[in-house]
Amino acid sequence: EAGVTQSPTHLIKTRGQQATLRCSPISGHTSVYWYQQALGLGLQFLLWYDEGEERNRGNFPPRFSGRQFPNYSSELNVNALELEDSALYLCASSLWNRGYEQYFGPGTRLTVT
Amino acid sequence: GDSVTQMEGPVTLSEEAFLTINCTYTATGYPSLFWYVQYPGEGLQLLLKATKADDKGSNKGFEATYRKETTSFHLEKGSVQVSDSAVYFCALTLRDSGYALNFGKGTSLLVTP
Repeated sequence: EAGVTQSPTHLIKTRGQQATLRCSPISGHTSVYWYQQALGLGLQFLLWYDEGEERNRGNFPPRFSGRQFPNYSSELNVNALELEDSALYLCASSLWNRGYEQYFGPGTRLTVT
Repeated sequence: GDSVTQMEGPVTLSEEAFLTINCTYTATGYPSLFWYVQYPGEGLQLLLKATKADDKGSNKGFEATYRKETTSFHLEKGSVQVSDSAVYFCALTLRDSGYALNFGKGTSLLVTP
């Protein structure tokens, strides 16, 4: 069974641009979570999507947004990129009733120059 | 707020040594507790979990027991291998927070031959 996949692996953007990151959950999983792993800040929860709706949000500004598609895949959009947005962005998925058991993808490394 | 504190690294051990990585938590409810491992250049893998007090999670020779009285979830392994070199993250999640994982800062482990 395929695990969580993320694309692209690496993304290089310039300050002020927009970045779009993609995630495909494990088959049968309806919940998708996004986390940011920035140097010195550790792993921080960004967003949770389930059944196409945003269910919970971490302490991040509105320029971090996303959506979940009918096939449960998800996009994370980061607008007006800032240098401190450089980080590894991890996506995780879970079954709708087992949110405490999340499986992670390999991540997208975003570099803002 | 809810938080996880784990011992600072890096931890350097010789092969076959005993490993303990301390983890304590603060939570307003009854969290589920986790240990995740991140190998170099990879995403997070769930190592073990415990969902209620006195539960013992175990996997690949690693163990941790959910101690409600001391709010702890220490990770142990009797005999480490070079292949265990990685960063280990303790985390908690609460149903009320939509299962967003709250991570400790991570402990880097290096096992030498």
